[in-house]
Formats: sequence, C-alpha cells, structure tokens
Amino acid sequence: EDQVTQSPEALRLQEGESSSLNCSYTVSGLRGLFWYRQDPGKGPEFLFTLYSAGEEKEKERLKATLTKKESFLHITAPKPEDSATYLCAARRAAGNKLTFGGGTRVLVKP
Amino acid sequence: GAVVSQHPSWVICKSGTSVKIECRSLDFQATTMFWYRQFPKQSLMLMATSNEGSKATYEQGVEKDKFLINHASLTLSTLTVTSAHPEDSSFYICSAREWTSGSSQYFGPGTRLTVL
Repeated sequence: EDQVTQSPEALRLQEGESSSLNCSYTVSGLRGLFWYRQDPGKGPEFLFTLYSAGEEKEKERLKATLTKKESFLHITAPKPEDSATYLCAARRAAGNKLTFGGGTRVLVKP
Repeated sequence: GAVVSQHPSWVICKSGTSVKIECRSLDFQATTMFWYRQFPKQSLMLMATSNEGSKATYEQGVEKDKFLINHASLTLSTLTVTSAHPEDSSFYICSAREWTSGSSQYFGPGTRLTVL
C-alpha cells in the first residue's frame, strides 16, 4: 500500500529562520512527487512536481528536492506570509491517484 | 498556472435536500477530475475520480448513490450530494489534471457545505 508521511506535523519559525520539511514516501513506481501549499479555508495551491531522484526546483524562498525515499521542502529566510500548511503527495506509475501526507503546519512569527 | 474554479464557495442547506457543486477548469482541458473531502486539520481524502464521458470511479467506503459525479465535458464536473445529512458537512475540493502538461494536478478553492 502506498504511504506518504510528513514531518514534523507543525513547525514554528521566527522570521528569517530557515528550515526544512520532510516527506517520506513508499510508492510503487513513483510517477511524480507533488508539493502544495494550503491556506485555511482554501484549496491547495500547486507549488512543485518532482519526477526523479536528484531533481530540484525552486520558487522564491522555497526549494524542493527529491531522493529515492523522500523529498524535502526547504524554506529559506521565511516571512510571515509563508505561514500555511504544506502538503506533499505522490503518484504511482499505474493510475491517477495522489496519495497525500498529513501535512506540515508552518507558522512564521515576525 | 492552470486555474480551477468551484461554485458555490459555501452552501448551507437543510437535512434531506440535495446540493450540487460545480468544478470548472478555466484555461485548460481536464481529461481527469477528482473530488476530495477534507475534515478540519486533516489531509485530503479522495472520494472519486472521473474521466470525461465515463462513469466515475469511487474510493472504497464512498457511497456512489449519495455522491453523484458527472463529468460531462473537458472543463466541467459536478458533485451532487443527495439527501444531505449533518454528517455530510465538510469541505469539498475538486481537482483537475491537465494531460498535455504532464502529470500536474491543480485544485479548486473548495466548497464549504453545512447541513443543518
């Protein structure tokens, strides 16, 4: 059975304090590892898709990396507006279904 | 980026009534659409997957007669919650996959359903 586990569940950061979020996955034949940002009461906002180990993608203060077993979302010098829940999800080679992790709630204090 | 819209953004209804939620891909054609349900402080739970012109595939434990899904065109899918009860109150989110751009999947803003 496919599994995606995110850690930590919650993260409190001071503004400017860089950190990393972890997403461990067990998926048969990975066909994409996705990162989303979700604000309260809203749908997930697409951030990145990673397809193969060693791949990296960046967007502003966020950088996502992928290995054969896990993905990291690095937040560099975060600002209060980076406060949100970050979700990762994995898709296996066969099928359309995304398996989501439980999310990491990030709070950045000024 | 690709945009997915949902309507309504929130709805309050009486127990026993039916509610329809629309999901549209605004600037791309979605061969596959998904419906999720999310409880407070929990992650997304996939309810069903639908391909344009085909019957939806429901996840285990999701009642297909209660949650009717129609994917009539490449830009529109609807979810109808039939004979809604308070336990159906939740945040419903649709998602669409744009085949031509690879496997990226985009989400709508969600619909908050409250059944009294």
